[in-house]
Amino acid sequence: AQSVTQLDSQVPVFEEAPVELRCNYSSSVSVYLFWYVQYPNQGLQLLLKYLSGSTLVKGINGFEAEFNKSQTSFHLRKPSVHISDTAEYFCAVTAGGTSYGKLTFGQGTILTVHP
Amino acid sequence: DVKVTQSSRYLVKRTGEKVFLECVQDMDHENMFWYRQDPGLGLRLIYFSYDVKMKEKGDIPEGYSVSREKKERFSLILESASTNQTSMYLCASSLPPRRFFGPGTRLTVL
Repeated sequence: AQSVTQLDSQVPVFEEAPVELRCNYSSSVSVYLFWYVQYPNQGLQLLLKYLSGSTLVKGINGFEAEFNKSQTSFHLRKPSVHISDTAEYFCAVTAGGTSYGKLTFGQGTILTVHP
Repeated sequence: DVKVTQSSRYLVKRTGEKVFLECVQDMDHENMFWYRQDPGLGLRLIYFSYDVKMKEKGDIPEGYSVSREKKERFSLILESASTNQTSMYLCASSLPPRRFFGPGTRLTVL
């Protein structure tokens, strides 16, 4: 079984500041890792994913994440945030192989960007 | 574009009612999932199905059942709704490792 911990439930930042949203996972097998974003009153949208290959993954809207196997982390970063990045962000993991694509989600991090 | 649709965006029901939440996908995916989303808890898996008439319990199946009679449709059933089932319910379908989410149904049980 796998689990995901998002270390911050809320992250307030000022516009144009850098941000890092932290995610740690545990799994006994190889994993695929995801970050989703949910804007207010909207559905889930995939930001980026790590399947294999380069550990630095670039996603939409200027976000990137780095897979660190030794630290079992997949932190999300953006060098300069905008007001429009205000949303809830979810880290998720699924095991490789025949897992039927079951996703385990973290508890979510609410990012609030202030002017 | 894959579409995952859910029958209602908002639903209000009374305690003890039987509630059906419907989910339909148009990509012939074998795998379908029901999650509930609650503040501070993220999304938690209720049930999933990996083929017609096949289902498995997720992490929080108590108080729920599911039905998958056709590949494209996966229904979540609350046999006797309770107030603690007030939540946002999200359906998803997948062709691993990609998955697609529906818009969600916000269920309020009074």
